[in-house]
Amino acid sequence: DAGVIQSPRHEVTEMGQEVTLRCKPISGHNSLFWYRQTMMRGLELLIYFNNNVPIDDSGMPEDRFSAKMPNASFSTLKIQPSEPRDSAVYFCASSPGTLNTGELFFGEGSRLTVL
Amino acid sequence: SQQGEEDPQALSIQEGENATMNCSYKTSINNLQWYRQNSGRGLVHLILIRSNEREKHSGRLRVTLDTSKKSSSLLITASRAADTASYFCATDATGNTDKLIFGTGTRLQVFP
Repeated sequence: DAGVIQSPRHEVTEMGQEVTLRCKPISGHNSLFWYRQTMMRGLELLIYFNNNVPIDDSGMPEDRFSAKMPNASFSTLKIQPSEPRDSAVYFCASSPGTLNTGELFFGEGSRLTVL
Repeated sequence: SQQGEEDPQALSIQEGENATMNCSYKTSINNLQWYRQNSGRGLVHLILIRSNEREKHSGRLRVTLDTSKKSSSLLITASRAADTASYFCATDATGNTDKLIFGTGTRLQVFP
């Protein structure tokens, strides 16, 4: 099993630039989650999808953030325009079904630095 | 907003000692999970305990759950240097079993 695959692992960009983070969930998993981790705020749930449909995006900080899941094997999180306060580690996770019966499988994260 | 808070924030022990981490949460839950995160890595699931369970074991891990106090504890027995990591509890949001909210985490350092 390849696990959840995220890219890029590291990205350094300048304020105002567009950033696109990518995620390939584990094959067969129905749910996909995007989390953001910072020292100040810990792990925050940004958005999650079930069967490729966005279910809850209440954690998305503002309109600069958008997420898509065009098919069961791919999701993107886009920040446009990026700001220094967006610097964080962004994690993608997938699960086979409802969390009532299972666990989350995390990728290794994308560390974003916005200068 | 975070559902759970871990206590202590940081813990340092010697190899062979036991490590106990506590988690408190705010609302009713269906289950509670514990995860481990090594530095610079993603989170890894350790154990899940359901709201109708009081205790669960997995290898050197022992988890307890007290729903009346809205708290859980994770005990790692006979700790090893390789157990050095951050540990997080996570709960499903009220009425929504598909949304997992993480606590603030405990940083555990095990010295050889």
